[in-house]
Amino acid sequence: GEDVEQSLFLSVREGDSSVINCTYTDSSSTYLYWYKQEPGAGLQLLTYIFSNMDMKQDQRLTVLLNKKDKHLSLRIADTQTGDSAIYFCAEMKASGGSYIPTFGRGTSLIVHP
Amino acid sequence: KAGVTQTPRYLIKTRGQQVTLSCSPISGHRSVSWYQQTPGQGLQFLFEYFSETQRNKGNFPGRFSGRQFSNSRSEMNVSTLELGDSALYLCASSLEFAGDEQFFGPGTRLTVL
Repeated sequence: GEDVEQSLFLSVREGDSSVINCTYTDSSSTYLYWYKQEPGAGLQLLTYIFSNMDMKQDQRLTVLLNKKDKHLSLRIADTQTGDSAIYFCAEMKASGGSYIPTFGRGTSLIVHP
Repeated sequence: KAGVTQTPRYLIKTRGQQVTLSCSPISGHRSVSWYQQTPGQGLQFLFEYFSETQRNKGNFPGRFSGRQFSNSRSEMNVSTLELGDSALYLCASSLEFAGDEQFFGPGTRLTVL
C-alpha cells in the first residue's frame, strides 16, 4: 500500500471548518508537510510540523499530529471559496544526507457557497 | 526574488523520442528536486541534485536522468518516451536540503502520443 494515505475528496460550505486527514507509516519521519495545489500551478507549502510537536497553529490553519496513530490533520477555519484546491500531505524521511519526500494522493477540497 | 521557473510549460512528443526539461531554481537555492505527477500514481519523487551531484533518487527506470549545473540550474531527460510518461513534471528548489521549505515551479506538462 501507499506510505501516505488521504481521502480523495472533501466538500464543505463556505464559512465552515474543513478538516483534511492523512495517515503515514514511517514513525522515523522527522517533518510532516501540508501543500496546496491550485489548478495549473505547482505546489505551495502551507505549513509543516516537526515530529516532536503535537499541534501547530498558523492563522486559519491548525495542524494536529498523533504520532501514536501516525495521523496528521489539517484544519482550515472559516473556509473560503479561494481555499478550493488539492491538498497534499507529505512525510520527509532522511536519506543520503538529505530527505526524500513521500506524498499522499491529495485531497480535493471543494468549497461551495 | 524570482520564483522557480520551468521550461517549456507544455510539450508534445511521440513514443520513442527523448525530451529535456529545464528548471531554474530560486537564486541562492542549491537543492533541486524533480517530481512526476500523474492522476494514477499521484506525486512521485524522481531525484534530487545538490552541488551538481545526484543526492537521492526515486524508483524510476534509467530512462529518467538529470543533471545540475554549477549555477544550480537543473535539467532532466527522459529517453525512449512511453505513453505512460505523460505527466506533469514539477521541479522544486530549496536552500540546502529537500527537507527545507521547497518552492515549486509551475511544472512542464508532457504529453506523449
